[in-house]
Amino acid sequence: EAQVTQNPRYLITVTGKKLTVTCSQNMNHEYMSWYRQDPGLGLRQIYYSMNVEVTDKGDVPEGYKVSRKEKRNFPLILESPSPNQTSLYFCASNSLRGDTDTQYFGPGTRLTVL
Amino acid sequence: TQLLEQSPQFLSIQEGENLTVYCNSSSVFSSLQWYRQEPGEGPVLLVTVVTGGEVKKLKRLTFQFGDARKDSSLHITAAQTGDTGLYLCAERANFNKFYFGSGTKLNVKP
Repeated sequence: EAQVTQNPRYLITVTGKKLTVTCSQNMNHEYMSWYRQDPGLGLRQIYYSMNVEVTDKGDVPEGYKVSRKEKRNFPLILESPSPNQTSLYFCASNSLRGDTDTQYFGPGTRLTVL
Repeated sequence: TQLLEQSPQFLSIQEGENLTVYCNSSSVFSSLQWYRQEPGEGPVLLVTVVTGGEVKKLKRLTFQFGDARKDSSLHITAAQTGDTGLYLCAERANFNKFYFGSGTKLNVKP
């Protein structure tokens, strides 16, 4: 089954404790993205990647890092989380070929930073 | 930064009623997408519109792209409880940069 998986689904942590949210897709997509979703603000793109070792900033990259060492994986790293990073996070992937606009989203990771 | 405005923010209707939600921008869209997001899940793409004046239908859902490609609407006929969810419009600006509206939260009551 074609899918995007994220782990963990829920995470409660404390300020300053480094964490990583993993994202993996099995559709051989070149493009991947991370978004955060906050009430009344819709989805805002944090980072995106157009292929292995190619990443770029989205609208709200401050406080986040990403890496794309393999095509299928795109982890999101919070080196020193702060309470304003409490949010619902989504990973998405889309293809370089054909219908490139169709993003497939993961189920989300709900992060709380105390 | 592309600004997509969606209205209304919230909509609560009875099953069987019709409704329309809107997505507007001050800039021209290259293309526009509509997603539906159910609680606890990620958004799922419903449709992409590309050409000004384009109309697409998906069962009871009708999507329209404005002639000037600066606005779009989603019309649902005879809403069902299964239509409940958050409806988001989005634009792909360039490369893989996407902008989303803040969404319309629809509640269809039985």
